[in-house]
Parts: sequence; structure tokens; C-alpha cells
Amino acid sequence: QKEVEQDPGPLSVPEGAIVSLNCTYSNSAFQYFMWYRQYSRKGPELLMYTYSSGNKEDGRFTAQVDKSSKYISLFIRDSQPSDSATYLCAMSSGNQFYFGTGTSLTVIP
Amino acid sequence: DGGITQSPKYLFRKEGQNVTLSCEQNLNHDAMYWYRQDPGQGLRLIYYSQIVNDFQKGDIAEGYSVSREKKESFPLTVTSAQKNPTAFYLCASSIGPPFRNEQFFGPGTRLTVL
Repeated sequence: QKEVEQDPGPLSVPEGAIVSLNCTYSNSAFQYFMWYRQYSRKGPELLMYTYSSGNKEDGRFTAQVDKSSKYISLFIRDSQPSDSATYLCAMSSGNQFYFGTGTSLTVIP
Repeated sequence: DGGITQSPKYLFRKEGQNVTLSCEQNLNHDAMYWYRQDPGQGLRLIYYSQIVNDFQKGDIAEGYSVSREKKESFPLTVTSAQKNPTAFYLCASSIGPPFRNEQFFGPGTRLTVL
């Protein structure tokens, strides 16, 4: 079983839709959770960083962590064509980062 | 502007040659990392460094070497012993101890072995 599971998609939505991206994990020691956005042939860009459980909001982006279910989510409101990218989840227990394989998102104008 | 730079952006290598990928950061971060990204496999850790003159192997260190002579610089050498070196290589850095804080990535180097 992989440490982190992420549906690769691809996911295609119309402009303005709410997007939900998810990752599940198996290691209950994870306490640092991140979401990155990666455009084609570019390095990942940090979107959200969350420590332990709870929600965090930043503009159109909301990150949720449910440690009891070992499940994290990233919500994108009012999605824009510029949000079209691959989204990577990442998490750590403090000893190593584990990355999901990424979900490819396309927002159609 | 603070950030991480990687060079070159594209690199072509003949089989049997060693190549060195550059990574520089001006964020004053202590920890630096090298990852390899292949389609469908996510990011895999090659090496990381917590401090100058100290570095540790990651999950896929075989065929790679690194040095950390300056806080700002963490070059990666892909040796001829690496059996499948064609990939996208990403350098990252973070503040404080490794794996405790968010990592910031450079733009990447795409290496192709001919």
C-alpha cells in the first residue's frame, strides 16, 4: 500500500465550478500537510500548508485535513482557466515528505 | 527576489557521461533537497542536506552524488552508474530541520540521455 494515494484524474470542469481534490494516506503519524500546484514543465508551487487537523482558507482555496479518516482535501471555488494544472498533495511526519502522484485539472472557459 | 534557481533548464547527455545540475537558493534556508519526477510516479527523494557539509541519502540515491559546500548551493551529479537518468529533476529548500516545514521548489531541470 502506498503511503499517499491520489486520484490522477484527469478532471475537467467548466469555468466557475467548485473543484474538489483529495488524497488519502495510511500513516497516522503524518501531521504536516501541503498542496502544490504544478504547471506543465515547471516546478511545484506551494498553495497551502496545514499543521494537524482542521481547515485553512486562502482566497479561492480551502484545505481540509481529517486525521480521523486519514483524508485531506483541496477545494477551489470559482475555478478559472488559469487553475488548469496538476495538483500534488504532500505530507510528512517530520522524517520525510511523501507526495501524491498528482491530479490533472482542466478548467474549460 | 528570493527564490530557488536551477540550471540548465534542459540538459542532454550521452550515455556514459557524468553531468552536474546546479541548484542555488537565496532564501537563507538550512535544508535542501533533490527530487526526481517521472510520469505517474510522483516525486522521489534522491538526497537531502540539513546543513553545510552534511547530506543524507534518500530513497533513490544510487547513481547520484551531491555536495553542500555553501549554504546557498546544493549541486547534484548524475553519474554514468545511474541506469535510467532521463527525468525531470527538482531542487527544493525549507527553513529549519528537514521535513518539518513546507518545501519551496525550483523550476526544474529536464535531463535527457541520448
